[in-house]
Amino acid sequence: DAGVTQSPTHLIKTRGQQVTLRCSPKSGHDTVSWYQQALGQGPQFIFQYYEEEERQRGNFPDRFSGHQFPNYSSELNVNALLLGDSALYLCASSLESDRFWTDTQYFGPGTRLTVL
Amino acid sequence: GEDVEQSLFLSVREGDSSVINCTYTDSSSTYLYWYKQEPGAGLQLLTYIFSNMDMKQDQRLTVLLNKKDKHLSLRIADTQTGDSAIYFCAESETGNQFYFGTGTSLTVIP
Repeated sequence: DAGVTQSPTHLIKTRGQQVTLRCSPKSGHDTVSWYQQALGQGPQFIFQYYEEEERQRGNFPDRFSGHQFPNYSSELNVNALLLGDSALYLCASSLESDRFWTDTQYFGPGTRLTVL
Repeated sequence: GEDVEQSLFLSVREGDSSVINCTYTDSSSTYLYWYKQEPGAGLQLLTYIFSNMDMKQDQRLTVLLNKKDKHLSLRIADTQTGDSAIYFCAESETGNQFYFGTGTSLTVIP
């Protein structure tokens, strides 16, 4: 089992562009959460998807949107990129039955986004 | 959002104990966690503690929770060079959404 995989590993974009990041959850996991980790900071919750719906959202603007597919994989889209969007974007997968992440949660290695 | 604060850096000698501290503001936290992040790797859950517990021990790791002072600590016994990493505390009240601290960079000196 490959665990949580994310693509691409690195990405460079310019201001105003749009970007799509992808996440494949660990086999059997049905819930995907996205986090933004700026350099030198802890991860900040963007949103969580379950049953192809955005279930909970952190304090991020509408420029950040996502999608979950029937196979539980997920995409994070960011429109109108700003310099401040440069960060490591982490995907975490888990089981709905373990919403406090005490047993089943796994993080992917992240996608490093640089906005120039 | 909730505030979770940690000191930025800690340096210890191999074989000594490390103590990483964290303070949080959410008095309704249900679970509190410690994660480890190594370069190029995702976050790895080390251990967690339920909010009605004071202490939890898991092999070399000891978690202490002072709910009155909203203070959480992680003690690593017999620290090894492989323990060098960034450690994050995190808390969650309702599940699904987690608040992470700023991280403590632990350097283990051989």
